[in-house]
Amino acid sequence: EDQVTQSPEALRLQEGESSSLNCSYTVSGLRGLFWYRQDPGKGPEFLFTLYSAGEEKEKERLKATLTKKESFLHITAPKPEDSATYLCATKAAGNKLTFGGGTRVLVKP
Amino acid sequence: EAQVTQNPRYLITVTGKKLTVTCSQNMNHEYMSWYRQDPGLGLRQIYYSMNVEVTDKGDVPEGYKVSRKEKRNFPLILESPSPNQTSLYFCASSSSAGEVAPGETQYFGPGTRLLVL
Repeated sequence: EDQVTQSPEALRLQEGESSSLNCSYTVSGLRGLFWYRQDPGKGPEFLFTLYSAGEEKEKERLKATLTKKESFLHITAPKPEDSATYLCATKAAGNKLTFGGGTRVLVKP
Repeated sequence: EAQVTQNPRYLITVTGKKLTVTCSQNMNHEYMSWYRQDPGLGLRQIYYSMNVEVTDKGDVPEGYKVSRKEKRNFPLILESPSPNQTSLYFCASSSSAGEVAPGETQYFGPGTRLLVL
């Protein structure tokens, strides 16, 4: 059974304090890995698609990387507006999407 | 503007009363899917569709039906809702079905909050 595990569950950061979120996966026939941001009461907002080990994507203060077993989302010098829940998901053979439980990030000014 | 719309946004109903949640996308996406989100359980896929008339079960399909008669629409049907289907539901669409394409994007709708009494 495909599994996606995110850690930590919650992260409290001071503004400017860089950190990384982890997404580890055991998936048969990985076709791609996605990162999303979700604000309370809203739908997930797409951030990145990664589809091969070694790939990196960047957007503003966020950088996502992918290995054969895990992905990292690095937040550099975060601001309070980066506070959200960050979700990762894998797309496997058969086209099912499996989501991790998410990491709640709170950035304090 | 690229978007996925869902209706209704909020719904309170009673056990056994059939309901439909509509989902529509304006991006000509092939892949559409439905999820439910519950505290402590995260997002779980209910059904997905790779194209018109092609649907398949996700992880939690019991008690739900879907249809894909047009590319833009993917309604979720609860024929006999039960209280354990109280949840937050999201529809999503993606620019590619099958192999993940470079630059593949995914869009989620705003969510439908359902309460079954």
